[in-house]
Amino acid sequence: EPEVTQTPSHQVTQMGQEVILRCVPISNHLYFYWYRQILGQKVEFLVSFYNNEISEKSEIFDDQFSVERPDGSNFTLKIRSTKLEDSAMYFCASAGGPRLTNEKLFFGSGTQLSVL
Amino acid sequence: DQQVKQNSPSLSVQEGRISILNCDYTNSMFDYFLWYKKYPAEGPTFLISISSIKDKNEDGRFTVFLNKSAKHLSLHIVPSQPGDSAVYFCAARQGGKLIFGQGTELSVKP
Repeated sequence: EPEVTQTPSHQVTQMGQEVILRCVPISNHLYFYWYRQILGQKVEFLVSFYNNEISEKSEIFDDQFSVERPDGSNFTLKIRSTKLEDSAMYFCASAGGPRLTNEKLFFGSGTQLSVL
Repeated sequence: DQQVKQNSPSLSVQEGRISILNCDYTNSMFDYFLWYKKYPAEGPTFLISISSIKDKNEDGRFTVFLNKSAKHLSLHIVPSQPGDSAVYFCAARQGGKLIFGQGTELSVKP
């Protein structure tokens, strides 16, 4: 069964450093997302991406965050200058196969980001 | 701003019995509701969904009920199995994004 793949599974970084989280969505999907879950809290929406541009973003997704789809398969989340409060599990998701529906998201296993 | 709420952080059920997980929402503009299941160290896995124009959707052992007037949905698992033990998230679609509840940890005991 097709799946969303995320790398790395764990990322440790120093505060102020840049990190790039990588995702390979399901190949025929058209909608891409990043969510995150801080330990003990709910899964929160960060950003959605469709047709090579951001379609929606939350207030969490400030100027320190950016997303890119550099080629036909990868979808990345960059945090320019990490803060302690960015420590969380980051989930990539994709949706919208041939029928172009986007209500059912398929999630990757996540990248656990730890900012020290 | 908790638009989607799961008020029970945990639920324990005997194997073979029914598990009922509840979810309340505040925004009547949500057009789709979904349940996701999550094991530790894994991403949420889609379980079942329901459109806001329906009141029930069934898939095998899983049934979701939607009560729009009460802004309430529930997930029924019958019969419950030990492998169902996981965290269950209710989610609602608003535009292009999902808004999640806090999750309910289900434990099914043999």
